[in-house]
Amino acid sequence: QVRLQESGPGLVRPSQTLSLTCSVSGDSISSSGYYWAWIRQRPGKGLEWIGYIYDNDNTYYNTSLQRLLSMSIDTSKNQFSLRLTSVTAADTAVYYCARAVNSGSGTWFDPWGLGTLVTVSS
Amino acid sequence: EIVLTQSPGTLSLSPGERAALSCRASQSLSSTYLAWYQQKPGQAPRLLIYGASVRATGIPERFSGSGSGTDFTLTISRLEPEDFAVYFCQQSGTFGQGTRLEIK
Repeated sequence: QVRLQESGPGLVRPSQTLSLTCSVSGDSISSSGYYWAWIRQRPGKGLEWIGYIYDNDNTYYNTSLQRLLSMSIDTSKNQFSLRLTSVTAADTAVYYCARAVNSGSGTWFDPWGLGTLVTVSS
Repeated sequence: EIVLTQSPGTLSLSPGERAALSCRASQSLSSTYLAWYQQKPGQAPRLLIYGASVRATGIPERFSGSGSGTDFTLTISRLEPEDFAVYFCQQSGTFGQGTRLEIK
């Protein structure tokens, strides 16, 4: 059974960099053929796709965030990571990592990690 | 950029009733390019339907998806107490704003 777990600081200062890691178990991140995604949910709000990564040469970002965003994969640790620079209070959210399927039937996210709350505050 | 609009915002029904949740796209989608998720308080979303009508592994048969073009529907044939939650539709990198299904 595939499991994903997010980790990283729960508090980030404004203008600093938010860094999160997703650890994957039960699947090989480098050989499964899946994409690996980040999605966030601001308090009381809906879901916002941040981006996904296939390998370190193939990343796809939400255009509204891409100038601040980078993702990477560490195959040796079976992990992938998110970095979001110059954060503001608007980046306060629960951040989820998820496995993404891209196929002829579209794109969907399954499974998801439990999520981690990141608060941007001084 | 595609916008997905879900309706109603909140749906109040009783256990045993049938629920129909709508997701409308701002432009026509491939008939299969839609997924549905269920989210309960404090939990991550759970995939219910992909490819517009394919149930994900372990999803009960009372959940079904239909539609094509710009109009899609998630139907729950007979509501169980555990079905009261928020439901989101999704196409590629876009999510709808969600429908809250609450107990009447």
